[in-house]
Amino acid sequence: GENVEQHPSTLSVQEGDSAVIKCTYSDSASNYFPWYKQELGKRPQLIIDIRSNVGEKKDQRIAVTLNKTAKHFSLHITETQPEDSAVYFCAAKGLSAGGTSYGKLTFGQGTILTVHP
Amino acid sequence: DAGVTQSPTHLIKTRGQQVTLRCSPKSGHDTVSWYQQALGQGPQFIFQYYEEEERQRGNFPDRFSGHQYPNYSSELNVNALLLGDSALYLCASSPDRGRNTIYFGEGSWLTVV
Repeated sequence: GENVEQHPSTLSVQEGDSAVIKCTYSDSASNYFPWYKQELGKRPQLIIDIRSNVGEKKDQRIAVTLNKTAKHFSLHITETQPEDSAVYFCAAKGLSAGGTSYGKLTFGQGTILTVHP
Repeated sequence: DAGVTQSPTHLIKTRGQQVTLRCSPKSGHDTVSWYQQALGQGPQFIFQYYEEEERQRGNFPDRFSGHQYPNYSSELNVNALLLGDSALYLCASSPDRGRNTIYFGEGSWLTVV
């Protein structure tokens, strides 16, 4: 099955700096890669996603890049703010045995991002 | 437009007991998945329901079972609770076709003592 590795496990930056979180996946058939932000005691919230037919996507201060050949994707946060502090999870969605994309997500281990004022 | 709703939000059970968690998917979504998130870890896929049948299952024992109703709402049942079942249980919904976006509910915090 799919395996997703996420690095680093913790990341500490100063307010205004950029933060980069990287993930690799094992299943070359995976076709959808969302990123979730989870604050303490809350549910994971989708912040950005990318599909396998796109190499880069940007939404204000957040961007995601995908390298299908290398099977890795990254989250980039620019001009970080203290409210960006949270746990970030990458995930990958692959295909079932029948070749249909059923929506099962495999998550990385998470990155604790701390933005210091 | 209501999002994914789950109940109860918190509950405490004793080892060996059984628990039922409930989920109502986002309007227009017919596929419901359940995830277990232990403290400090990423969510782990339990199973997915579509058209009232379990369509896909993760690496969880048979103690974990589920159900989907005609209105697409779903239940997660866990029998013979173990201390290790203590976790946040997340329900996620999505449309079977079209966009891939998956939405999570607020979750049910289960503590087994």
